Amino acid sequence: GIQVEQSPPDLILQEGANSTLRCNFSDSVNNLQWFHQNPWGQLINLFYIPSGTKQNGRLSATTVATERYSLLYISSSQTTDSGVYFCAVVNTGTASKLTFGTGTRLQVTL
Amino acid sequence: NAGVMQNPRHLVRRRGQEARLRCSPMKGHSHVYWYRQLPEEGLKFMVYLQKENIIDESGMPKERFSAEFPKEGPSILRIQQVVRGDSAAYFCASSPRASGGAESYEQYFGPGTRLTVT
Repeated sequence: GIQVEQSPPDLILQEGANSTLRCNFSDSVNNLQWFHQNPWGQLINLFYIPSGTKQNGRLSATTVATERYSLLYISSSQTTDSGVYFCAVVNTGTASKLTFGTGTRLQVTL
Repeated sequence: NAGVMQNPRHLVRRRGQEARLRCSPMKGHSHVYWYRQLPEEGLKFMVYLQKENIIDESGMPKERFSAEFPKEGPSILRIQQVVRGDSAAYFCASSPRASGGAESYEQYFGPGTRLTVT
């Protein structure tokens, strides 16, 4: 099946810093989603971005499907950004099941 | 428009008991997915259902686990004779349209049910 790798696995930032999270995938996809799992375990949809670029406040994401990667940018990080960020994809031709990466654990400190 | 609803949010069962997890998709969504997250791991796909049909159950353990999405009412994930290894967070997601092949649509996740087996 499709492989999804995320980097870095862990990231510690001071409040106000910027960061880039990366998601590489091994095959063609027709769905790519970024999620934030907060410290209470809730999974929050950030972006649905099978291709192109989107922005939402301090967050933006870019997917280059032909090169099989996606990037999540976090600017001016806040302590509430702490948690785990997951990338998940649907392999083209499969029946919509999302395959998740192993996540990037982000800790934002004061 | 209410989001995906799951209940209960927390469930404690003794080994050997049955666990029933419920999921109500977003209004207008007829496609439901179940995922499991073991402690300190990512989410793993279990099963994909449409009303009265199981579309893909390739991630379901072969024994003790079953899922349904009846014509009326929520989707149910049922675990019989639970064991400690079943302790996990179980997430349900829904999407609005049929998909497959070249098309796929955003999945919206519920808050999860945290199952603890003692």
